[in-house]
Amino acid sequence: SQQGEEDPQALSIQEGENATMNCSYKTSINNLQWYRQNSGRGLVHLILIRSNEREKHSGRLRVTLDTSKKSSSLLITASRAADTASYFCATDPPGGNKLVFGAGTILRVKS
Amino acid sequence: GAVVSQHPSRVICKSGTSVKIECRSLDFQATTMFWYRQFPKQSLMLMATSNEGSKATYEQGVEKDKFLINHASLTLSTLTVTSAHPEDSSFYICSARDLGTGHQDTQYFGPGTRLTVL
Repeated sequence: SQQGEEDPQALSIQEGENATMNCSYKTSINNLQWYRQNSGRGLVHLILIRSNEREKHSGRLRVTLDTSKKSSSLLITASRAADTASYFCATDPPGGNKLVFGAGTILRVKS
Repeated sequence: GAVVSQHPSRVICKSGTSVKIECRSLDFQATTMFWYRQFPKQSLMLMATSNEGSKATYEQGVEKDKFLINHASLTLSTLTVTSAHPEDSSFYICSARDLGTGHQDTQYFGPGTRLTVL
């Protein structure tokens, strides 16, 4: 399969809580990216973390990367109802020119 | 950020007809564009890589004669679904890399095209 694994598959939380999504992958990478997709829409790029980075922040987003475990996590702090969407990780392997997407996590934030 | 558009956003066609979907990079040049399909509640599956001025590279299992890709300019790639059948109904999404300095790693995605084949 070209896809990595993401967990959980679905996550339902209350507004204000934090949401954590995990992503595991199989090959070495140049970078790992997180995307968001609202229902029936295209993807929005959230954050990119390079293979030599361990943590990155962008607003309420915090991404970690552990290349030894081939895993990454996305933390959304102080969630809002508008954060409700599907979240995908995608890896960018060396030498390749294409992204490999994880299965995605469906996040629902209840107000 | 860079903008990628797709047209049409939604199309319904009869079985056996062909449908063309356009993908445009609006404010940057893209020598490489990518075509994905996405089934409901599933992830994106790469279909092919579209290279400006040369033949597309198809992923394993994707029929090149059924999904015709043309990348005639640095800002336009088209995907034509030929002799469409109901099983081709899906959400088709394109993306492009901005090759400008400092942005090569990021792919920008179009809003997608919902194809329904009756």
